[in-house]
Amino acid sequence: NAGVTQTPKFQVLKTGQSMTLQCAQDMNHNSMYWYRQDPGMGLRLIYYSASEGTTDKGEVPNGYNVSRLNKREFSLRLESAAPSQTSVYFCASSDRDRTGELFFGEGSRLTVL
Amino acid sequence: AQKITQTQPGMFVQEKEAVTLDCTYDTSDPSYGLFWYKQPSSGEMIFLIYQGSYDQQNATEGRYSLNFQKARKSANLVISASQLGDSAMYFCAMRDARGTDKLIFGTGTRLQVFP
Repeated sequence: NAGVTQTPKFQVLKTGQSMTLQCAQDMNHNSMYWYRQDPGMGLRLIYYSASEGTTDKGEVPNGYNVSRLNKREFSLRLESAAPSQTSVYFCASSDRDRTGELFFGEGSRLTVL
Repeated sequence: AQKITQTQPGMFVQEKEAVTLDCTYDTSDPSYGLFWYKQPSSGEMIFLIYQGSYDQQNATEGRYSLNFQKARKSANLVISASQLGDSAMYFCAMRDARGTDKLIFGTGTRLQVFP
């Protein structure tokens, strides 16, 4: 059971570099999310997608872009990485037709130097 | 706007005792869902329990129960008979039903269970 798979697990970038975090789910969920987790801040919502073809800003969208490529995949792009984007990033998906609990990926630890 | 507040950065409990982790929320939507997640030191997020705003009974899942007080807008997690493996971060989260699919989290409470 793969569930939610996100890649890469670890990445080190220099300031100004770009990168894309990939996320895929195999549970046929409509909703997908990107969160960042920083010490003392909990999980903060960056972007979410309620269905294929739609995306919406969360609490902290600045500096990020997303693409809902199809129902399975939801990618997060950093166009010009900044040290403030050093964080652990989680992708998640949910099925709103039930309780809507989130199923999380394992997280991606990103360091921007 | 939605808001989730967890006021306890850290809690200690002795093994086999019960512990309550606090969570308050704010929303103008009458229909919403409340969730609790556990994050052990290994980093994965584990779903524990769910409470819908229209549910008449407090949710229970094994040793976990949710003390839902709608008028006070609180959704506290009660862990009974604590175990050493319960040591982790615990997050409260809320989704409202205003046509969006946003689910936001509190800042978390670190629980440490000691022998």
